[in-house]
Amino acid sequence: GNSVTQMEGPVTLSEEAFLTINCTYTATGYPSLFWYVQYPGEGLQLLLKATKADDKGSNKGFEATYRKETTSFHLEKGSVQVSDSAVYFCALNDSWGKLQFGAGTQVVVTP
Amino acid sequence: GAVVSQHPSRVICKSGTSVKIECRSLDFQATTMFWYRQFPKQSLMLMATSNEGSKATYEQGVEKDKFLINHASLTLSTLTVTSAHPEDSSFYICSAGTSGGFTDTQYFGPGTRLTVL
Repeated sequence: GNSVTQMEGPVTLSEEAFLTINCTYTATGYPSLFWYVQYPGEGLQLLLKATKADDKGSNKGFEATYRKETTSFHLEKGSVQVSDSAVYFCALNDSWGKLQFGAGTQVVVTP
Repeated sequence: GAVVSQHPSRVICKSGTSVKIECRSLDFQATTMFWYRQFPKQSLMLMATSNEGSKATYEQGVEKDKFLINHASLTLSTLTVTSAHPEDSSFYICSAGTSGGFTDTQYFGPGTRLTVL
């Protein structure tokens, strides 16, 4: 079956540091890939997505590239802010549109 | 665009009572809505998928008689937790998809924190 594996947190960074959160997946077919962000006490917000191999999703300074050859969709941001502190979820969808989430990675950015 | 609301945001109830949670798509029609449950510091667990006008499809291990889902219109789905018990305490999140049949992107509500005493 489908699965998503992402690096464990928490990831603690200083402001303006470079952020990478690794995400790899196993899937049948060609799923779309997503990164969602969850701020404390809130639901999930779509951060970015990519629908096919070599697509790059980007939003708010975050980027992720759909790598079919390595089955990865790593999230990166060049300079994080305190406001980026949140839990980040990597996800893929199956042929029925159901999302399969990774375990989530908590990111803590300190001033 | 693509805003999803949930009501209530927080509810506390006594054991044995039933609680209804509403999920609305505010600016689009949602042919498919999903209900998730999230335990503290864990990922989301899909409970069920509902399509407007038809019965919900429940994931394995989810009691359909306990978690009643109704998707009566293209903008509203409800989850009723019947005879709630403390182990039902959790964060419940809904999401809505915009395409009929295959849903590519889901938009999430802000979640409802249920506490059963």
